[in-house]
Amino acid sequence: DTAVSQTPKYLVTQMGNDKSIKCEQNLGHDTMYWYKQDSKKFLKIMFSYNNKELIINETVPNRFSPKSPDKAHLNLHINSLELGDSAVYFCASSHLAGRVDNEQFFGPGTRLTVL
Amino acid sequence: QKEVEQNSGPLSVPEGAIASLNCTYSDRGSQSFFWYRQYSGKSPELIMFIYSNGDKEDGRFTAQLNKASQYVSLLIRDSQPSDSATYLCAFGTSYGKLTFGQGTILTVHP
Repeated sequence: DTAVSQTPKYLVTQMGNDKSIKCEQNLGHDTMYWYKQDSKKFLKIMFSYNNKELIINETVPNRFSPKSPDKAHLNLHINSLELGDSAVYFCASSHLAGRVDNEQFFGPGTRLTVL
Repeated sequence: QKEVEQNSGPLSVPEGAIASLNCTYSDRGSQSFFWYRQYSGKSPELIMFIYSNGDKEDGRFTAQLNKASQYVSLLIRDSQPSDSATYLCAFGTSYGKLTFGQGTILTVHP
């Protein structure tokens, strides 16, 4: 039944590898987001897509590339993984960005560990 | 200056007490303000949002916003051990970006 799902839940990989995280929402929302939460629990936005169009692109290394094949899916591909990429990555979705009551629903997170 | 600052915590209150969580923000263009709760190992979930000056109540939770002082707070009345979590304050902009504070860890002890 659920709302925002992510796969995989855990990802352990070596430095230099390329990996992807997938996100899907079944809430009928128009906007999806990627956030990174570091070891100090600081949650920071990375990207946002509105109906397959990129609308937020924060200062993130270009090794990170989001892709939205349709408005229900937003994937995150990471090239040449580095130790500092270790974090929990959350996908979120909301109704059309711009509403003041723009509640964002978060997925369960993907814990990425780079060795 | 950080964009969003929360009281540093951790905050510990006895069961039944009022927990007070505070947040200041620097962007005067912020439109709306959100309080999320995050249990350990889980994802953030929305408790309340507020966008008008004043108070907004929902059950045991009251959010207070003062845009002139760039200050937003969350009061939790009759705190329960199940309220023990990290509370994240965030402000939102017109294009949906949420900027979060560093979080305040709340522990409610029986």
